Amino acid sequence: GAGVSQSPRYKVAKRGQDVALRCDPISGHVSLFWYQQALGQGPEFLTYFQNEAQLDKSGLPSDRFFAERPEGSVSTLKIQRTQQEDSAVYLCASSLGSPAYGYTFGSGTRLTVV
Amino acid sequence: SQQGEEDPQALSIQEGENATMNCSYKTSINNLQWYRQNSGRGLVHLILIRSNEREKHSGRLRVTLDTSKKSSSLLITASRAADTASYFCATYTGFQKLVFGTGTRLLVSP
Repeated sequence: GAGVSQSPRYKVAKRGQDVALRCDPISGHVSLFWYQQALGQGPEFLTYFQNEAQLDKSGLPSDRFFAERPEGSVSTLKIQRTQQEDSAVYLCASSLGSPAYGYTFGSGTRLTVV
Repeated sequence: SQQGEEDPQALSIQEGENATMNCSYKTSINNLQWYRQNSGRGLVHLILIRSNEREKHSGRLRVTLDTSKKSSSLLITASRAADTASYFCATYTGFQKLVFGTGTRLLVSP
């Protein structure tokens, strides 16, 4: 596609509910990143994929967060048993190669846990 | 945790004025990048400056980098209302991820 597509655009979840956020990167982009952005803050790194391999998941805040990219294209970020502190915008970005050349970001998914 | 801190946190100017925002970071870098984020949207890549460069221009944007002070500045000349957004610096240290700063919220009034 022409850009990075994320869905849903908005998600309201009840505390304790599981959610799945989808990212469709630019076709051919090898690298895919997930970031979490709290209100009024800069994006914080969650995890990085190179093709289907998850090479860095050091930013995932707890074992309730899980990401996958099984065929090296679409990625899903799953959050189990959501809590209020998970409320944030979740941004996906993709890149042809390394971040040395800049990312293309999607518009994000705004998650609100009530 | 965030690598960069930006200053000021918020900036309000009139159309036609120049806007300068600064970024300080903590560790050695390969490059530093600036992004813009309009309210409720994703980030847009503006400009990249490598660690061996001191200044770079792109249209109305001018970026400087001082690696000895671990700081960078972004200058937007002749600002327009459409420049209203949050601006973030991001550093690349060679470990396959960008680390973002805290951002500057710029408001340009007509």
